Amino acid sequence: DTAVSQTPKYLVTQMGNDKSIKCEQNLGHDTMYWYKQDSKKFLKIMFSYNNKELIINETVPNRFSPKSPDKAHLNLHINSLELGDSAVYFCASSQGGAGGTRTQYFGPGTRLLVL
Amino acid sequence: TQLLEQSPQFLSIQEGENLTVYCNSSSVFSSLQWYRQEPGEGPVLLVTVVTGGEVKKLKRLTFQFGDARKDSSLHITAAQPGDTGLYLCAGPNQAGTALIFGKGTTLSVSS
Repeated sequence: DTAVSQTPKYLVTQMGNDKSIKCEQNLGHDTMYWYKQDSKKFLKIMFSYNNKELIINETVPNRFSPKSPDKAHLNLHINSLELGDSAVYFCASSQGGAGGTRTQYFGPGTRLLVL
Repeated sequence: TQLLEQSPQFLSIQEGENLTVYCNSSSVFSSLQWYRQEPGEGPVLLVTVVTGGEVKKLKRLTFQFGDARKDSSLHITAAQPGDTGLYLCAGPNQAGTALIFGKGTTLSVSS
């Protein structure tokens, strides 16, 4: 059974469209994240949620809106998609945030291509 | 701003060779982690180091945390094709709310 799952795995869309990516974790963790990995493989935090509350919003354009309906789900909605949004988006989860010996578990990623 | 610099960015070696990947920062980190990412997958944790000077071994992989907790290294002995992948070092931000990643080292081991 997959620990952190994301759908869809691939997303190809036109500039200006709105799209959503879904994430679910079955590990019972209280913290979930969205990371963006660019074409050079650099992984950067976008959002962090703890117990459904937003903890981090790392200077992400407000076209990106995360939503956490419960502790096991963190979805990402993107409005008015731009070419520069093309990247791989990873969802992750952990118990109790980052640091120490806490492990972050990553989903398989969603490959977004904006044409 | 906390930054993690990794080197080298790319490494292409033959099976059986040894290699070392470095992760450096001007900031002190409470801990550092190494993740490995295979194509089409998310990163998977290899190890966490928390004590300055700490050395951890995972089969042919040896991880070291610098005494000042500003750097770490990953040494692979007798590399195998199965070691091919993207190696990422990461550390918690000051608030402990997310990980900061290095830009990664892409390792290719050919037989």
